[in-house]
Amino acid sequence: AQTVTQSQPEMSVQEAETVTLSCTYDTSESDYYLFWYKQPPSRQMILVIRQEAYKQQNATENRFSVNFQKAAKSFSLKISDSQLGDAAMYFCAYRNTDKLIFGTGTRLQVFP
Amino acid sequence: DAGVIQSPRHEVTEMGQEVTLRCKPISGHDYLFWYRQTMMRGLELLIYFNNNVPIDDSGMPEDRFSAKMPNASFSTLKIQPSEPRDSAVYFCASSPSTNPNSPLHFGNGTRLTVT
Repeated sequence: AQTVTQSQPEMSVQEAETVTLSCTYDTSESDYYLFWYKQPPSRQMILVIRQEAYKQQNATENRFSVNFQKAAKSFSLKISDSQLGDAAMYFCAYRNTDKLIFGTGTRLQVFP
Repeated sequence: DAGVIQSPRHEVTEMGQEVTLRCKPISGHDYLFWYRQTMMRGLELLIYFNNNVPIDDSGMPEDRFSAKMPNASFSTLKIQPSEPRDSAVYFCASSPSTNPNSPLHFGNGTRLTVT
């Protein structure tokens, strides 16, 4: 069975600095997709970024980028120039066919 | 597009009562998912439907939980009888196709409190 692990329950960063959130996963599949979702206090689940496993190039969305290491089954999220509005829970997720499987989340605090 | 609509936003009930959570997926989405979020267990997939048919209900915790999707625009998750340990946020999400690259679109969740 596929699993997703986020080993950092909490992280903190100074405004304007860079922070990296870790995620590892376990699968025997070769074709799959990985996602990072953000959940602010409003409870909304917001898609931040996605990565296709067959693509070697790391995905980037503005200040958000990933470091995808397929052999190591690692999928970390880098947030550059952190802003106060980035404070939230961040969930890493894996999808192969139908189901989306989430990690347990990392709570990110941003200090001014 | 109104997004995925869940109701109610908050539900407080007493142990033993029946609880029904409702979800309207995005029009045209043929996948619908029910997730439960707790501090201890994170986001757990309870059940999902494809074209109104339940595909995998292995995440449903026990027989007290049931879910239906009578048509493409409506789904319910029912708990009968409810227990305090069912207190959680319940999310509904929909997805447009079997393409795994399609992200799930989430509703705003229902916070259930069972006293």
